[in-house]
Amino acid sequence: DVKVTQSSRYLVKRTGEKVFLECVQDMDHENMFWYRQDPGLGLRLIYFSYDVKMKEKGDIPEGYSVSREKKERFSLILESASTNQTSMYLCASRPGQGPAGELFFGEGSRLTVL
Amino acid sequence: DQQVKQNSPSLSVQEGRISILNCDYTNSMFDYFLWYKKYPAEGPTFLISISSIKDKNEDGRFTVFLNKSAKHLSLHIVPSQPGDSAVYFCAASSFQGAQKLVFGQGTRLTINP
Repeated sequence: DVKVTQSSRYLVKRTGEKVFLECVQDMDHENMFWYRQDPGLGLRLIYFSYDVKMKEKGDIPEGYSVSREKKERFSLILESASTNQTSMYLCASRPGQGPAGELFFGEGSRLTVL
Repeated sequence: DQQVKQNSPSLSVQEGRISILNCDYTNSMFDYFLWYKKYPAEGPTFLISISSIKDKNEDGRFTVFLNKSAKHLSLHIVPSQPGDSAVYFCAASSFQGAQKLVFGQGTRLTINP
C-alpha cells in the first residue's frame, strides 16, 4: 500500500512564526503536491514537485515555499505564518509523468495560526 | 476563477436510494475527471475516474457520467449506504496541465438510515 505520511496532524502557531510541514511517501513517486483545503473552496494547489530539487508554483503559492532535497520527502514552509494560513494542509504523491491520475493523499495537517 | 464547481454544498439521501452528485467545469481543455471521497480527519481517497473519450464509467455501486457538451459530470451511487457519508470532491485535469488537478468545492453527502 502506498503510504503518504505527514509529520504533524495538528499544529498551533503564532503569527510571524516559521512553520515547517513535512511529508514523506514510501512508493518512490516522482510527483509530490501540497494542497490546502478550506470550507467552500475545496482543495487548492500550493506547490508541486516532479523531481528532486524541482518545484513549480500552484494556484496559491504566495506566503509559502517548498523544499525537495530527497525523492521521498516534500516540505512546505511558511516563512512568517499569518492567520489567513489557518487551514488543513494535504500532501499528495503520484507516480510518473503524463496526464494527472490518481493522487495518494496523506491524512492532513490542521494548522491554526493565532 | 473556479474552473470546477460543485454547486451543492450538501446532499441528504435515504439509505438504499440513489445519490447523485453533480459537478460542472468551465475549461474545455480538461480531458480527465476524477472523484475523491473524504472522511473527517482523513485525506481524500480516489474513487473513480473518466476520460473524455468516454461518457460513462462504472465501478460497482459507483458510476460517473460525463456530458462534454454541457461540461458536466455526475457521480451516481446506488444503492447508497451509511458508509458513503463523506465529502465528495470532483477534480479535473488537462494533458497540457498534466501535473495539476483542479478540485471542486466538495459536496457533503449524508446517508440517512
